[in-house]
Amino acid sequence: GQNIDQPTEMTATEGAIVQINCTYQTSGFNGLFWYQQHAGEAPTFLSYNVLDGLEEKGRFSSFLSRSKGYSYLLLKELQMKDSASYLCAVMDSNYQLIWGAGTKLIIKP
Amino acid sequence: DADVTQTPRNRITKTGKRIMLECSQTKGHDRMYWYRQDPGLGLRLIYYSFDVKDINKGEISDGYSVSRQAQAKFSLSLESAIPNQTALYFCATSDSTDYNEQFFGPGTRLTVL
Repeated sequence: GQNIDQPTEMTATEGAIVQINCTYQTSGFNGLFWYQQHAGEAPTFLSYNVLDGLEEKGRFSSFLSRSKGYSYLLLKELQMKDSASYLCAVMDSNYQLIWGAGTKLIIKP
Repeated sequence: DADVTQTPRNRITKTGKRIMLECSQTKGHDRMYWYRQDPGLGLRLIYYSFDVKDINKGEISDGYSVSRQAQAKFSLSLESAIPNQTALYFCATSDSTDYNEQFFGPGTRLTVL
C-alpha cells in the first residue's frame, strides 16, 4: 500500500529553527510537495522536490532523498504566523497526490 | 478575485438530502480534483478530472458523484447525504503542462445531521 508518515504535532519557539520530517512508500515517484495549511483554510504550496538535494526558498527549505524515501521541511527564524499544519504529499506513478495527515506546528513566544 | 472558488462555503443539511457543491476556476487549468478532509486524516481524493471528457474515481468515491460541465467548472454531488460525510471539502486544480502543483479553493464545510 501507499503510505506517508509525518509527526502529528511539534512545538518550537519563536525565532528558532524546526525540521519536519516525512517518510513515504508509494507506487512510483513523480515529486514531493510540501503545503502549509492554517486552521480552517485551504492548503497553500510551499515547495516541490523531484531530485535529491536541498531546495531553499527564503526562510523555508526542503530536502529530498529518493533512495531513503525521506524528505524534510526546514523552517528558520520562526514567526508566530508559522503556526499551522504542514502537509507532505507525494505524486505517485499515476500522477496522483498521496497526502500525509499533516504535522501541526505550534510556535511559542 | 480568487482563482478557485467554491460554493457554498458552509452548509448544514439533513440525512437523506441531495447536496451539490460547486467549484469554478479562472486559472485555465485542465485538471480538477475534489478532496475531503477529516480531523487527524490527510486529504483524501474523491474524484478527479483531467479534462472535460475525463472523470475518474479517487480513493473514496462511494456515495459521491461529479460533473465536469466545462473546463472551468467541476461539481460534486452527494445523492443521499449521511452523517459520516460531514467534513471539509476542497476543490483543487492543476496544469498538466506544469509539474502539477495543485491550487486549492477555500473549502466547503458540510455538516450532515
